[in-house]
Amino acid sequence: EVQLVESGGGLVQPGGSLRLSCAASGFTFSSYWMSWVRQAPGKGLEWVANIKQDGSEKYYVDSVKGRFTISRDNAKNSLYLQMNSLRAEDTAVYYCARDLIIFGVVPRSFDYWGQGTLVTVSS
Amino acid sequence: QSALTQPASVSGSPGQSITISCTGTSSDVGGYNYVSWYQQHPGKAPKLMIYDVSNRPSGVSNRFSGSKSGNTASLTISGLQAEDEADYYCSSYTSSSFVVFGGGTKLTVL
Repeated sequence: EVQLVESGGGLVQPGGSLRLSCAASGFTFSSYWMSWVRQAPGKGLEWVANIKQDGSEKYYVDSVKGRFTISRDNAKNSLYLQMNSLRAEDTAVYYCARDLIIFGVVPRSFDYWGQGTLVTVSS
Repeated sequence: QSALTQPASVSGSPGQSITISCTGTSSDVGGYNYVSWYQQHPGKAPKLMIYDVSNRPSGVSNRFSGSKSGNTASLTISGLQAEDEADYYCSSYTSSSFVVFGGGTKLTVL
């Protein structure tokens, strides 16, 4: 059974940092694009970042470029999101999501999602 | 990286059909057949309902169907049921290896 379990969320002051983790199991983690998607309270989904199977390509939404870093450790079946210089507008539930296609050339659909971890940026 | 455009809300009675539109540009919806649709119930993670414009993952009811014309994709739900009441989001691959979502549509089953 495919499972994605996020952790690392919490309350942080503006300007602070957090590192989110996503533990994957039940599939060959190293064969899939992986993404972080967030959802602010009462708002819609927003794609944040994605990373290719071997970590050689990474892409970010403009609003987090230079502040967030996505990474993965295929030996540990884990995905990470290092979030620095956090702002109030980064407050959201952060989901880890797996791309649909094994060995996909490009990311395009998310077939498995974690339960999400809440990040609250407030003083 | 502009969000795709969806109607804020749609509604229908049980047994009826509804369609939700998703409008983008030639750099996303119109340029690739990589449009997806997600269903999200309150407090739950999104669920993939349609991928690659019109394909249903295993286990998704055939009451859900997708299509695309030009820069606009559509999700149709036929034979509306109470459990279909949820938020629906479209997404598309874009020319920069990004994924962009629509703003979401709240479906109310009357």
